[in-house]
Amino acid sequence: ELKVEQNPLFLSMQEGKNYTIYCNYSTTSDRLYWYRQDPGKSLESLFVLLSNGAVKQEGRLMASLDTKARLSTLHITAAVHDLSATYFCAVPQRGTSGSRLTFGEGTQLTVNP
Amino acid sequence: GAVVSQHPSRVICKSGTSVKIECRSLDFQATTMFWYRQFPKQSLMLMATSNEGSKATYEQGVEKDKFLINHASLTLSTLTVTSAHPEDSSFYICSARGGSETQYFGPGTRLLVL
Repeated sequence: ELKVEQNPLFLSMQEGKNYTIYCNYSTTSDRLYWYRQDPGKSLESLFVLLSNGAVKQEGRLMASLDTKARLSTLHITAAVHDLSATYFCAVPQRGTSGSRLTFGEGTQLTVNP
Repeated sequence: GAVVSQHPSRVICKSGTSVKIECRSLDFQATTMFWYRQFPKQSLMLMATSNEGSKATYEQGVEKDKFLINHASLTLSTLTVTSAHPEDSSFYICSARGGSETQYFGPGTRLLVL
């Protein structure tokens, strides 16, 4: 059974600081997704990482994927308050009904002024 | 981009009644739709996977007689919570997938059962 673990689960940081969120998964996968969720809202797609060594950047967020280590990172550079949200990674898993996503527990990020 | 809508966005009902939630893919044909449930401060848990024209596949522990899923067309799937009880109160999110692996998520439906 695929397990997806995020670390840390809670992160409180000051504006302007850098930090990294980690996502480990237990079985082989060639892709990984990162999502953002604001309180009371659904998921917003941030990144799709499609291969080993993939790196994508959007604004102050940068995501990478190491399929051999089964690890993805979401790096936050010079955090701002607007980045406060919960961040989920998700890994697809092949099944009889096709591919399904298994989500990590989520990392609740709070950026303080 | 691919857009998925859900209706209603919020519903309050009395215990024992049934509630239907619709999930629509607005600009693409969704061969597969997924239904998730999310309790406060928790992650998304997959409830079931539905393919157009066939019966839904439910995850372990999800009662198929309580959560009825119908995927009658390539743009519409419905989730009916039958005889809802307060413990069914949750945020229900659907997603849809067309020809690619990517799932597009709906805005969610918040259900409160009194």
